[in-house]
Amino acid sequence: DAKTTQPDSMESTEGETVHLPCSHATISGNEYIYWYRQVPLQGPEYVTHGLQQNTTNSMAFLAIASDRKSSTLILPHVSLRDAAVYHCILRVEPGYQNFYFGKGTSLTVIP
Amino acid sequence: GALVYQYPRRTICKSGTSMRMECQAVGFQATSVAWYRQSPQKTFELIALSTVNSAIKYEQNFTQEKFPISHPNLSFSSMTVLNAYLEDRGLYLCGARQRFSNERLFFGHGTKLSVL
Repeated sequence: DAKTTQPDSMESTEGETVHLPCSHATISGNEYIYWYRQVPLQGPEYVTHGLQQNTTNSMAFLAIASDRKSSTLILPHVSLRDAAVYHCILRVEPGYQNFYFGKGTSLTVIP
Repeated sequence: GALVYQYPRRTICKSGTSMRMECQAVGFQATSVAWYRQSPQKTFELIALSTVNSAIKYEQNFTQEKFPISHPNLSFSSMTVLNAYLEDRGLYLCGARQRFSNERLFFGHGTKLSVL
C-alpha cells in the first residue's frame, strides 16, 4: 500500500527553485519522511530525511507541514544534474524497517 | 565515504539458467543488505532483507528457493536468480545499511539482468 502520494512528473528550467510535493495523510507519529532520488541506470541516492522539523543540507531543503500530513522537497537553483526520479518514503524508526519505494516524481530540467 | 559496488553491471542469461550477482560495501560495515528489483517499467519490488547473524527475511512473492542470498560478512552479499525467465528481467539493486545507523541505505548501481 502506497502511504505517500506524489505527482508523476514535474518540469523546471535550469536555475529555478523546484518544489516537489509529497502527501502522507496517514503518517504515524514514529514515521520519518525520507527522500531519495534516482537517475537512469543507477541506484537510488539519499537526499534527506526528517521527522517534524524542517531540515536542510547541501542537496535540498525539506519543509514538513506542522500536521506532518505533507512535505515538500525544495531544490534551489536546479541544474541538469538534478534531473531524476524523486521518491518520498515513510519509514518507522528506530529499527530495521525496510524502505518501500513507489514510482516517485520524475523531474525534468530544461536548459 | 560509503560506497556500494555491484557486479556485474549488466548480464544476459538464457531462459531457465541462473545468474549470480554480488554486492560489496566499501568504507563502511553493512549490517544489513536489502535486495530490490526494479522492473523495466521502473516499479520497485523489495525481494529480501539480509542481516548478518540473522535469518534472511523474504517479502511476499519472493522465496529463498528462487533467490538464494548469502551475506557472510559485513562487507559482502550475493544473490542468485535461479531458473531465470522473462519476468525476472530488471535492474537488481543492493542497498546496504551502515552499522550502528538505521537511517539510510547506500545503493549500488545495480545489476541489469536480461533474459533471452
